[in-house]
Amino acid sequence: DSGVTQTPKHLITATGQRVTLRCSPRSGDLSVYWYQQSLDQGLQFLIQYYNGEERAKGNILERFSAQQFPDLHSELNLSSLELGDSALYFCASSVGGSDRAHEAFFGQGTRLTVV
Amino acid sequence: QKEVEQDPGPLSVPEGAIVSLNCTYSNSAFQYFMWYRQYSRKGPELLMYTYSSGNKEDGRFTAQVDKSSKYISLFIRDSQPSDSATYLCAMSALWYGGATNKLIFGTGTLLAVQP
Repeated sequence: DSGVTQTPKHLITATGQRVTLRCSPRSGDLSVYWYQQSLDQGLQFLIQYYNGEERAKGNILERFSAQQFPDLHSELNLSSLELGDSALYFCASSVGGSDRAHEAFFGQGTRLTVV
Repeated sequence: QKEVEQDPGPLSVPEGAIVSLNCTYSNSAFQYFMWYRQYSRKGPELLMYTYSSGNKEDGRFTAQVDKSSKYISLFIRDSQPSDSATYLCAMSALWYGGATNKLIFGTGTLLAVQP
């Protein structure tokens, strides 16, 4: 168990809908990273938050947004869902108070299926 | 061309064999080199990371980085059936203040160790 908690584990929804994925980082970790894993693209970095503020952005679509709350949990919002958004979404958090992605621990992921 | 290239396998070896997994990359700014193990339907688990060039050993695992060739390797000695998983390489460049904030992943190599 990495200590990073993601909910829900599985999500099935229809095209055009909006969903929210939730992540609780390890105790004491200030950085949260979101990644998407699909069969054709592999694991891709989406976005990072550090102590409530957006720190870095990757290949995140405009239909997707994220935020980190004062208690440090983070949510990834996916809207106007398309079939191609079906993927595993991982959250990771990094050690202590710095953004050290190379030491990040990953959660178990949320499997999103868009039908 | 992808920034990180990894042979997807699958790679099948008998128990006790030495396994060699490799990645090549094109971005000379990469400074941190990671290897992750991912079991089916689970989150990636960090095995080890190396900063810059050189070797690092942890039990049966040895990571090697050759920055001049832009080539990294993971060796697994005395492989066990429990090592059967997908192995992902990942890389990161330094950001300001020495931080790293996003990982670029290879597509992963599926390894099967036969008893």
